[in-house]
Amino acid sequence: QLQLQESGPGLVKPSETLSLTCTVSGGSISSSSYYWGWIRQPPGKGLEWIGSIYYSGSTYYNPSLKSRVTISVDTSKNQFSLKLSSVTAADTAVYYCASYQLLYSGFDYWGQGTLVTVSS
Amino acid sequence: EIVLTQSPGTLSLSPGERATLSCRASQSVSSSYLAWYQQKPGQAPRLLIYGASSRATGIPDRFSGSGSGTDFTLTISRLEPEDFAVYYCQQYQGFGPGTKVDIK
Repeated sequence: QLQLQESGPGLVKPSETLSLTCTVSGGSISSSSYYWGWIRQPPGKGLEWIGSIYYSGSTYYNPSLKSRVTISVDTSKNQFSLKLSSVTAADTAVYYCASYQLLYSGFDYWGQGTLVTVSS
Repeated sequence: EIVLTQSPGTLSLSPGERATLSCRASQSVSSSYLAWYQQKPGQAPRLLIYGASSRATGIPDRFSGSGSGTDFTLTISRLEPEDFAVYYCQQYQGFGPGTKVDIK
């Protein structure tokens, strides 16, 4: 079964760019069965989909974040990455990476999540 | 953009009781793209139901999903202690705000 693991800085300064990587194991990121997604959850709040990418590089972003988000994939490393620019305190959240199974139309495997705090 | 709303915000029930959670979409959605998740404190969400009514692998049969169009329901037939959690519906790439099921 798939395993996903987020990595990246836990503290980012306001106005800077948040960068996270998700490493996929137990399967290939080049599988045609999956999209690969980023979801975040501010402390005490609900889930917000940030965006998703297919192994071919096709991307889909939340319209509310689209101007600040870039998601990319590195098939050679079995990884995909998130960049969120011009961050503010409102971007403080637990960031999850997850696999979106096309057969189920649901996120079936999730990373453990990583807390990113935006603060000077 | 389709917006999902969930009700109630909080459901207070006792173990053994039946829980009925609602998810309503702002416009009609394909049942194929409606999923439900459970999240416990400090944990990542877990996929419970996909395609509005199909249980994901390993999910007990006390969990069931139904609905079509704009109205969907997650039912937990008899609450077990481990079922007290927050539940989210999801349509394609957007999530509802969640329903918290807590112990009465």
